[in-house]
Amino acid sequence: EILLAESGGGLVRPGGSLRLSCVASGFPLSNYAMNWVRQAPGKGLEWVSYINAPSRYIYYADSLKGRVTASRDNARNLLFLQVDSLRVEDTAVYYCARGLQGSGWFSDLWGQGALVTVSS
Amino acid sequence: QPVLTQSPSASASLGASVKLTCTLSSGHGTDAIAWYQQQPEKGPRFLMRLNNDGSHNRGDGIPDRFSGSSSGAERYLIISSLQSEDEADYYCQTWVTGVVVFGGGARLTVL
Repeated sequence: EILLAESGGGLVRPGGSLRLSCVASGFPLSNYAMNWVRQAPGKGLEWVSYINAPSRYIYYADSLKGRVTASRDNARNLLFLQVDSLRVEDTAVYYCARGLQGSGWFSDLWGQGALVTVSS
Repeated sequence: QPVLTQSPSASASLGASVKLTCTLSSGHGTDAIAWYQQQPEKGPRFLMRLNNDGSHNRGDGIPDRFSGSSSGAERYLIISSLQSEDEADYYCQTWVTGVVVFGGGARLTVL
């Protein structure tokens, strides 16, 4: 089965850090660019990061720049998102999403999401 | 960077058709977009990529009840033969190098 599955979410204190993982199944991660997208409770979708297949090009949303690092291990079919200096407003469901072939900035496969709650 | 504008809500009757609109900001009127569906308590699902000329490529398993069209800077998602499971939030998305932008989303109610 072709799917993405995030893990690593949870409750974190403000100022803390979190590392989210996303495992790809049923397809080689190495063939695809990947995106991270988040959704605050009751809000719309917000793009977080893009990383191309060889990790040569990595981009971040301005709202998280300097606090977030995306990486990947293609050999293990794993994608990661490290978020530091967490703020209450970072509370959201974080989705990993597979880039569309030929236009990796669109996402044609999404995980079920990992909830990150930042609260004291 | 581009801005995408969506009307926040729409409604239509079971079995009818509905057209959702996504408007690209000035200077981005020829950009391609993607449409996504998000049913309650679920992750988003890719519906299609929609090009400036109205050509579109649906995602795997997306029925042909979902189609797209374009006119100028407007991109449309047309859903025909509405079913109860079509009640969901719908988002459009575009990009420029280094930035991905989503519209604010439109909640579709099936009456």
